[in-house]
Amino acid sequence: SQELEQSPQSLIVQEGKNLTINCTSSKTLYGLYWYKQKYGEGLIFLMMLQKGGEEKSHEKITAKLDEKKQQSSLHITASQPSHAGIYLCGAGYSGGGADGLTFGKGTHLIIQP
Amino acid sequence: DAGITQSPRHKVTETGTPVTLRCHQTENHRYMYWYRQDPGHGLRLIHYSYGVKDTDKGEVSDGYSVSRSKTEDFLLTLESATSSQTSVYFCATSGTGPEKLFFGSGTQLSVL
Repeated sequence: SQELEQSPQSLIVQEGKNLTINCTSSKTLYGLYWYKQKYGEGLIFLMMLQKGGEEKSHEKITAKLDEKKQQSSLHITASQPSHAGIYLCGAGYSGGGADGLTFGKGTHLIIQP
Repeated sequence: DAGITQSPRHKVTETGTPVTLRCHQTENHRYMYWYRQDPGHGLRLIHYSYGVKDTDKGEVSDGYSVSRSKTEDFLLTLESATSSQTSVYFCATSGTGPEKLFFGSGTQLSVL
């Protein structure tokens, strides 16, 4: 079974509206990483969360990690066309091991004018 | 952003032929990774490297091999390409720790 579940799979939002994307892990995270991917391009790092209850913001995007370190949410306020793309969460489980991140399947975000 | 170059960017090949994808980085990062991205599966780890000549298998390593003879280069080889290996391949690197990854622009590989 998938260790990291993202929801929703796709999201169509009218420009100016708020939205939330969720990422849930089946086990405790060492770290949670959010990335954005534009179609046909590589992944761009957005934010890293490591402490339970941690919250970080960058421009109109806020990410939170719950106290149990098993769930994270990404919230976009007043969405813009530039926010469109695929958002992926990546989980680190090994706390310093070399085997990289496990990724969710991604959320396709479409912003309607 | 880390200077990560993947080559080629696009490749079409035939079943049974060998294929090598190259990842070149200019950041002197210790860790390097190969992922593949497929609809319905997301990103899956193929192989990774934690130093020159130090590599290990990821989740979907069957049919792939890797080599890292220099810090800056990480090669992914498909010994005998199959149609199931049609995918977008991403290289990633990390220097500050194994989990904060920086990604290349990807290679679109089609095996006919």
